[in-house]
Amino acid sequence: AQKITQTQPGMFVQEKEAVTLDCTYDTSDPSYGLFWYKQPSSGEMIFLIYQGSYDQQNATEGRYSLNFQKARKSANLVISASQLGDSAMYFCAMSALGTGGGNKLTFGTGTQLKVEL
Amino acid sequence: DTAVSQTPKYLVTQMGNDKSIKCEQNLGHDTMYWYKQDSKKFLKIMFSYNNKELIINETVPNRFSPKSPDKAHLNLHINSLELGDSAVYFCASSPRAGGNTEAFFGQGTRLTVV
Repeated sequence: AQKITQTQPGMFVQEKEAVTLDCTYDTSDPSYGLFWYKQPSSGEMIFLIYQGSYDQQNATEGRYSLNFQKARKSANLVISASQLGDSAMYFCAMSALGTGGGNKLTFGTGTQLKVEL
Repeated sequence: DTAVSQTPKYLVTQMGNDKSIKCEQNLGHDTMYWYKQDSKKFLKIMFSYNNKELIINETVPNRFSPKSPDKAHLNLHINSLELGDSAVYFCASSPRAGGNTEAFFGQGTRLTVV
């Protein structure tokens, strides 16, 4: 079974600083994908970044980068130059095969990030 | 222009009622999902359809019945609503069932059962 662990229920960061949100995972599948989603207070789920298990380089998308350490089974999200609009809940997720053969996302419990002035 | 849209956004209803949530995607994706987010913000998959065929059913009570009339639509019907069904329900879609692809989510439907 797949499992995602986010050990930081809440994080604070000052505006313009960088912040790292932790995520560790557990799976026996050799092929998997790791994702980060942002959920602002308005409630929608916004896809941020994806890392494939066979990707050699860490994924980057603008101010977001994913620090993928396969041996440690970690997929931390780094947000550079934090902005007030980054305040939100962040979910780490992993794709895994469901019982019928289709993929599903298994989510962590989330980290609530607050960016302060 | 909304990629994945669900209606309604809010739904308040009494225990015992039957209600439906509709979802449509205009991304041309083959696969659609229903996820449930509970009061502690934990997200869990309920169902997945690929080209109108049910491929994932994650031990959801049979009061919940998804229906996919075509690959662009996936509706969720809930019979005999219970207090514990109160949650945010998200529809999502992805390009295909297999492989590691991201899912694009709708804005969610907040269901409150009173």
